[in-house]
Amino acid sequence: DQQVKQNSPSLSVQEGRISILNCDYTNSMFDYFLWYKKYPAEGPTFLISISSIKDKNEDGRFTVFLNKSAKHLSLHIVPSQPGDSAVYFCAATYGSSNTGKLIFGQGTTLQVKP
Amino acid sequence: GAGVSQSPSNKVTEKGKDVELRCDPISGHTALYWYRQSLGQGLEFLIYFQGNSAPDKSGLPSDRFSAERTGGSVSTLTIQRTQQEDSAVYLCASSNYRVSNYGYTFGSGTRLTVV
Repeated sequence: DQQVKQNSPSLSVQEGRISILNCDYTNSMFDYFLWYKKYPAEGPTFLISISSIKDKNEDGRFTVFLNKSAKHLSLHIVPSQPGDSAVYFCAATYGSSNTGKLIFGQGTTLQVKP
Repeated sequence: GAGVSQSPSNKVTEKGKDVELRCDPISGHTALYWYRQSLGQGLEFLIYFQGNSAPDKSGLPSDRFSAERTGGSVSTLTIQRTQQEDSAVYLCASSNYRVSNYGYTFGSGTRLTVV
């Protein structure tokens, strides 16, 4: 039962253009969503989060959009840079959870070409 | 320490042997999590510690897997009688913040290969 899904295993974009990474979820109880970035041989690093009471959160070149009715979120990177090439994971949790357990998607490998 | 430290970074073991994976969380972080990432898969939750207690062990795949945490710090994940399907990267993370806002800090992981 995959509660968080990233249906695109990979994405390739040109440097300077926009990268859009997508994520779908099935559990309407999730109320916080996070994006992580992972380089090879390193642990994932936290990128940005969004609460379900918002539909957009921005941090520099990174913006996350949430569409609750569609149970869909996306991460926009503008402009994309070669250093952004990594695996991106979306994750979801219940904000009221006592454990803080995150449910992760399968990841999308982003390649930004110079 | 400055980050979450995991050891060993790589481990190759023979099927049927026991292995121990170690995690040193960031000093003062009360919450500790173990995840694993199998080839081509996402991060799969294994267990959560708050202090030395494990209120959520729901992700441990079988009774061959166990974990403990001592002194509210170091944690050890033990896999008994390893099988080839146990091959994965095992990741540890710690947190002292509201996870939903700030997420966890992950270590670099232990790559386990069972041959």
